[in-house]
Amino acid sequence: NAGVTQTPKFQVLKTGQSMTLQCAQDMNHNSMYWYRQDPGMGLRLIYYSASEGTTDKGEVPNGYNVSRLNKREFSLRLESAAPSQTSVYFCASVAGTPYNEQFFGPGTRLTVL
Amino acid sequence: QKEVEQNSGPLSVPEGAIASLNCTYSDRGSQSFFWYRQYSGKSPELIMSIYSNGDKEDGRFTAQLNKASQYVSLLIRDSQPSDSATYLCAVRSDFGNEKLTFGTGTRLTIIP
Repeated sequence: NAGVTQTPKFQVLKTGQSMTLQCAQDMNHNSMYWYRQDPGMGLRLIYYSASEGTTDKGEVPNGYNVSRLNKREFSLRLESAAPSQTSVYFCASVAGTPYNEQFFGPGTRLTVL
Repeated sequence: QKEVEQNSGPLSVPEGAIASLNCTYSDRGSQSFFWYRQYSGKSPELIMSIYSNGDKEDGRFTAQLNKASQYVSLLIRDSQPSDSATYLCAVRSDFGNEKLTFGTGTRLTIIP
């Protein structure tokens, strides 16, 4: 039982390059979330998916797209990376009602040059 | 704008003492409260959740909730060097909404 997994762990991109961050969970949760974490800013929600086939914008969605491929997998895509997207990205899987605890993956540390 | 406020620290506590971490929130309708521990370079790990007023104890950890004062705290008894980490407070507004609002965290250092 791996919980939430993310790939890659580290990535360096040049401005304008694209990439996809992968996330998978084996807890049979319906909801999955993508956050970014920056020093002094805390965790900010980028996009989330309440169920397979649905996605919604969070607090900071600009410059990102997501795909909920199936119940297990939720990917985050940067189409044209910018230095402002340098951050640590966390995927979270959300347990069901009523408490909806969130469980985080190990994160992806992204640097955009 | 829903807000969750934490003292950023650093908070230094001698080994064996009680560490007290505090969090205030702005949304009076908030229902669920969580404490996450985050070691440097690692992901947040859920350590406590509390949903009703009063205290909830789990081992060396006690979460305290006072909805009237919009205040939630985490006490760590018999602090150990391995407790040195950043502690994030997270608040969920209501049972129909999964989204959490996170504080920016308090950095705790346990001094041997």
